[in-house]
Amino acid sequence: AQRVTQPEKLLSVFKGAPVELKCNYSYSGSPELFWYVQYSRQRLQLLLRHISRESIKGFTADLNKGETSFHLKKPFAQEEDSAMYYCALGGNKLVFGAGTILRVKS
Amino acid sequence: DTAVSQTPKYLVTQMGNDKSIKCEQNLGHDTMYWYKQDSKKFLKIMFSYNNKELIINETVPNRFSPKSPDKAHLNLHINSLELGDSAVYFCASSHNRERFSGYTFGSGTRLTVV
Repeated sequence: AQRVTQPEKLLSVFKGAPVELKCNYSYSGSPELFWYVQYSRQRLQLLLRHISRESIKGFTADLNKGETSFHLKKPFAQEEDSAMYYCALGGNKLVFGAGTILRVKS
Repeated sequence: DTAVSQTPKYLVTQMGNDKSIKCEQNLGHDTMYWYKQDSKKFLKIMFSYNNKELIINETVPNRFSPKSPDKAHLNLHINSLELGDSAVYFCASSHNRERFSGYTFGSGTRLTVV
């Protein structure tokens, strides 16, 4: 079965502070992992894919198969990063974690 | 030039009514999905269609019936609406041969049942 766990419902940080949004997954096959972002009352937008190992808006995420994790990181948070972040696991369907609200305070 | 478009954006209706939400994608994707985002922001897949064929049907009441007239469209019809159906419904699409590209989502339909 596919399962994604995001342990933090809310993460509140000050502007300029580092951010780490945690994501752990459970899947017997070869995982496809994604981070999606949803700004207030907008559509979900793909932020990162594990396969591309890219940095988008300063965010990075590394797949750690040993720890079955795909944490999202950014060294210096900005106020415009405030949003809901979903970790998602692809297989025969895309399964989402419960989401973490990131609030960046000035 | 919207890739995945849903209509309507907002829908307020009374209990017991029947309503439909439409979804269209112009990306040439062959698979389309309906997701439900509840009041706690949980996102759960409801249905998936590949080339007009139903391939995923999660535990959804049979009051919900998806219809795919062609691979660019996936509509959702809901009969006898209940208060608990209030949620945001997202349509999405993907390409089978590009599994690692993820899904593209529509902007959502906020359904409120009163």
